[in-house]
Amino acid sequence: GAGVSQSPSNKVTEKGKDVELRCDPISGHTALYWYRQRLGQGLEFLIYFQGNSAPDKSGLPSDRFSAERTGESVSTLTIQRTQQEDSAVYLCASSLSGGSANTQYFGPGTRLTVL
Amino acid sequence: GQQLNQSPQSMFIQEGEDVSMNCTSSSIFNTWLWYKQDPGEGPVLLIALYKAGELTSNGRLTAQFGITRKDSFLNISASIPSDVGIYFCAGQRGAQKLVFGQGTRLTINP
Repeated sequence: GAGVSQSPSNKVTEKGKDVELRCDPISGHTALYWYRQRLGQGLEFLIYFQGNSAPDKSGLPSDRFSAERTGESVSTLTIQRTQQEDSAVYLCASSLSGGSANTQYFGPGTRLTVL
Repeated sequence: GQQLNQSPQSMFIQEGEDVSMNCTSSSIFNTWLWYKQDPGEGPVLLIALYKAGELTSNGRLTAQFGITRKDSFLNISASIPSDVGIYFCAGQRGAQKLVFGQGTRLTINP
């Protein structure tokens, strides 16, 4: 079966523009995570969706960042009024449920460059 | 955001050598994980540790969950060219986000 997919794979935008990044999780996975990876760094948690529960937004760095998830399927991460500091790879992961015994499977990421 | 302290940041070794890297944290985690990331790809899980003191192997890889639950190490024996990449440790508490280390970049000279 297919793994986690993300689109676009690369996005170049101008400072001040809005961007939308898409994640398609593995079918049947109820938990979905977004992470940000700056160049040469580890991954930083952004937001977590689990079923119909309220999402954990504790990692979102500012109110310019938001994310939505339709049921237990596709998720969209939106960055408004992009800044150069937003340049990074944005990675999505999904797992069967949110428990610690459930492996998070990562997508290939979207490389965002803000000029 | 919070990150774990992972060392070394980079390693340059000869093919066939053993490799050791570790991660420490100021706070306790219930689960420790080790991932490998190749260029242009997302991280792939190598080993998961769920119990303090646990020692787990996966082929040439061995990892241990520290008894204090604040540290973990990963060893790779008899390195081969395909081991090249960036290795990340990650800690997790319950049904929560992963907290990652900064990564160890492994380079192997044939």
